Amino acid sequence: GENVEQHPSTLSVQEGDSAVIKCTYSDSASNYFPWYKQELGKRPQLIIDIRSNVGEKKDQRIAVTLNKTAKHFSLHITETQPEDSAVYFCAASSSGGSNYKLTFGKGTLLTVNP
Amino acid sequence: DGGITQSPKYLFRKEGQNVTLSCEQNLNHDAMYWYRQDPGQGLRLIYYSQIVNDFQKGDIAEGYSVSREKKESFPLTVTSAQKNPTAFYLCASSPSPGQGYGYTFGSGTRLTVV
Repeated sequence: GENVEQHPSTLSVQEGDSAVIKCTYSDSASNYFPWYKQELGKRPQLIIDIRSNVGEKKDQRIAVTLNKTAKHFSLHITETQPEDSAVYFCAASSSGGSNYKLTFGKGTLLTVNP
Repeated sequence: DGGITQSPKYLFRKEGQNVTLSCEQNLNHDAMYWYRQDPGQGLRLIYYSQIVNDFQKGDIAEGYSVSREKKESFPLTVTSAQKNPTAFYLCASSPSPGQGYGYTFGSGTRLTVV
């Protein structure tokens, strides 16, 4: 099955700096890669996603890049703000036959210091 | 609340007791999922269902059971066979069994063994 590795597990930055979180996946058939943000005690929420036919996608201060050959994808947050502090999860879609499910990384705790 | 409702928010279980966690969605999504979240472990898949009256085991199904009698509902039973059930449980749904759709998560149930 799919295996997703995520690094780093914790990341601390100063407000205004950039933050980068990296993930690798094992299943070359995976073709959908979402990122979720989870604030303390709350549900994960989708913040951006990318499909395998696209190399990069941006949405205001966040961007995701995908390298299919190397099987890795990254989340980039620019001009970080204290409200960006949360746990971020990457995921990759995999299917066993016709069954679709997301496999998640273990998460990155991002702390933005004012 | 976001179209997918989990109840209760907090649940306490005695040793040897079965408990059932509720998950209901009004998004008309075909697929539903149960994940378990432990600190530092990310989100691990327990069971998932792509269609009514059908479901598949995830990575950590032992000690859990599910049913999918209605499209809107996917309850999870934590049985006495689950030796370490204390965790945060998240239910999710997605529009289609096909690849390329993100999940919508419920707000979670925190289960504690007392």
